[in-house]
Amino acid sequence: AQSVTQLDSQVPVFEEAPVELRCNYSSSVSVYLFWYVQYPNQGLQLLLKYLSGSTLVESINGFEAEFNKSQTSFHLRKPSVHISDTAEYFCAVSPWNTGNQFYFGTGTSLTVIP
Amino acid sequence: DAGVIQSPRHEVTEMGQEVTLRCKPISGHDYLFWYRQTMMRGLELLIYFNNNVPIDDSGMPEDRFSAKMPNASFSTLKIQPSEPRDSAVYFCASSQPGQANTEAFFGQGTRLTVV
Repeated sequence: AQSVTQLDSQVPVFEEAPVELRCNYSSSVSVYLFWYVQYPNQGLQLLLKYLSGSTLVESINGFEAEFNKSQTSFHLRKPSVHISDTAEYFCAVSPWNTGNQFYFGTGTSLTVIP
Repeated sequence: DAGVIQSPRHEVTEMGQEVTLRCKPISGHDYLFWYRQTMMRGLELLIYFNNNVPIDDSGMPEDRFSAKMPNASFSTLKIQPSEPRDSAVYFCASSQPGQANTEAFFGQGTRLTVV
């Protein structure tokens, strides 16, 4: 069975400050790891994903996440946030070979304060 | 491609009425997923299809819910009869062949309110 825990339901942060959104997972099999972003009244958009290779993955808008197998974590970071980063962020896992679905965390609401 | 298209965007209905949500996946995608999003439970997978065939419907909450995929370009999620606790945002997502567990593309969702 798989589960995803996002420890912080709400994260307020001032503009241009750094931010970290935490994600831990539990799984009996190997998984792929994802971060999705949901802007108000929009669907989910893929932000970044880890499938294999380098454990540090980056998005085009400055976010990065690092897969830590020993800590079963996939925390999302950005060194300097913008107002436009205000959104809901979802961490998700998908088993390698035992199904074709995503298991989502409950989400973290990031609010960037001017 | 226009992406995954869902309709309607918003639906308000009275308890006991039938509700039908619609989804058009991205052309060429052979996996289609229905998710429900609520404040209490977050995102839950209801059912998914592969090549128009339902593969896993274990997330469908009860018999009032049913989903169909009559062809590769259309799927419906029906609730009959609807209840206030069904109020949620329902998302449809699709994936390319062989990539169902490496990337899913989501529609903008249908916000259902049952009064």
